[in-house]
Amino acid sequence: GAVVSQHPSRVICKSGTSVKIECRSLDFQATTMFWYRQFPKQSLMLMATSNEGSKATYEQGVEKDKFLINHASLTLSTLTVTSAHPEDSSFYICSAPPPGVKTQYFGPGTRLLVL
Amino acid sequence: GIQVEQSPPDLILQEGANSTLRCNFSDSVNNLQWFHQNPWGQLINLFYIPSGTKQNGRLSATTVATERYSLLYISSSQTTDSGVYFCAVELAAGNKLTFGGGTRVLVKP
Repeated sequence: GAVVSQHPSRVICKSGTSVKIECRSLDFQATTMFWYRQFPKQSLMLMATSNEGSKATYEQGVEKDKFLINHASLTLSTLTVTSAHPEDSSFYICSAPPPGVKTQYFGPGTRLLVL
Repeated sequence: GIQVEQSPPDLILQEGANSTLRCNFSDSVNNLQWFHQNPWGQLINLFYIPSGTKQNGRLSATTVATERYSLLYISSSQTTDSGVYFCAVELAAGNKLTFGGGTRVLVKP
């Protein structure tokens, strides 16, 4: 099956710093990738749709200036959490649908802890 | 927006038992998927099932699109089946998934 990777798998940072999370499709090209956030014991909530070569589309209530998304190539999307605060601590997961495939494949996730 | 509700929220099983998980959705959907999230957080695709019935080993799923629900059956449960099971729906072509609240399953030896 299709493989999606994320880096880093875990990050701890100080409040006020910025953190970049990478999402890569390893064996297919993805014009679209999705970023989700999952708080403990809760479900996944879509944050934004990452579009290769154009601006990301953000879901209602998600601050685009705080969660910067860049989809610079067909295999890489990055999510930067700017000026992170403890309430941004969460599990961030990306997904991508391979071309011509109706299912989505998810990365292993990144656990962010902001102190 | 579309509502996706899963039941039960929690399920404790003895190893070897069978169980049924339910997913109700409030509108017609283009796609429905079942996932298993393991203890490390990885989401594993189980089924792509907008309608009909599929089986994969001890797992099977049925979606009745006209009645807006899907069922996931786990037979002869094993401890490795523990984790959270999510259903997710796609309202229209475009691949944006809306997730249900999940069913947390614990299989005891």
